[in-house]
Amino acid sequence: SAVISQKPSRDICQRGTSLTIQCQVDSQVTMMFWYRQQPGQSLTLIATANQGSEATYESGFVIDKFPISRPNLTFSTLTVSNMSPEDSSIYLCSVGDTKETQYFGPGTRLLVL
Amino acid sequence: AQSVAQPEDQVNVAEGNPLTVKCTYSVSGNPYLFWYVQYPNRGLQFLLKYITGDNLVKGSYGFEAEFNKSQTSFHLKKPSALVSDSALYFCAVRDPYGQNFVFGPGTRLSVLP
Repeated sequence: SAVISQKPSRDICQRGTSLTIQCQVDSQVTMMFWYRQQPGQSLTLIATANQGSEATYESGFVIDKFPISRPNLTFSTLTVSNMSPEDSSIYLCSVGDTKETQYFGPGTRLLVL
Repeated sequence: AQSVAQPEDQVNVAEGNPLTVKCTYSVSGNPYLFWYVQYPNRGLQFLLKYITGDNLVKGSYGFEAEFNKSQTSFHLKKPSALVSDSALYFCAVRDPYGQNFVFGPGTRLSVLP
């Protein structure tokens, strides 16, 4: 399975600011996904990021709030823009393999004050 | 649209006893089913999956799960629980025609010494 790293692992941010989260994979993958896990909750898919195309956002998530870049087959970023305390969550990236499974990074724990 | 239910928020079991974490699903067509585990301050780790074939699938750390099509269930089991199994467990479903996963709400497993 792919080895996935995320930066930063955690951060505390002030409301109104933006944070960019990086996701790096040790092998080339076609599909990368970004999820949000709010405190005490399950995972919710934010968007799917394929290299060379615009990210596809799920209902309730918009590009202005969560812009995503996918410059190559091993890297992606998610930006959380104009943050509010409601954005405090764990943000996870995952990658899909050819055997249908998704593998997850360690997550970025964000606290917005 | 697919959905996943995990009817128990919390499961407590004594070390050495068998454990079961329940999952039921709803999806059009034949489902792809997954179990993940999340340890404190960690990302999700893949445990096992059912795509096709034998209804009993074996995965990591001695876990197994049984696919029951008539009951639309995919319960996670382990014959003898360890204290180190204490974690948050997520069941997920993916329809065979898409890439997106839908996660259940999670079940917190506590194994008591």
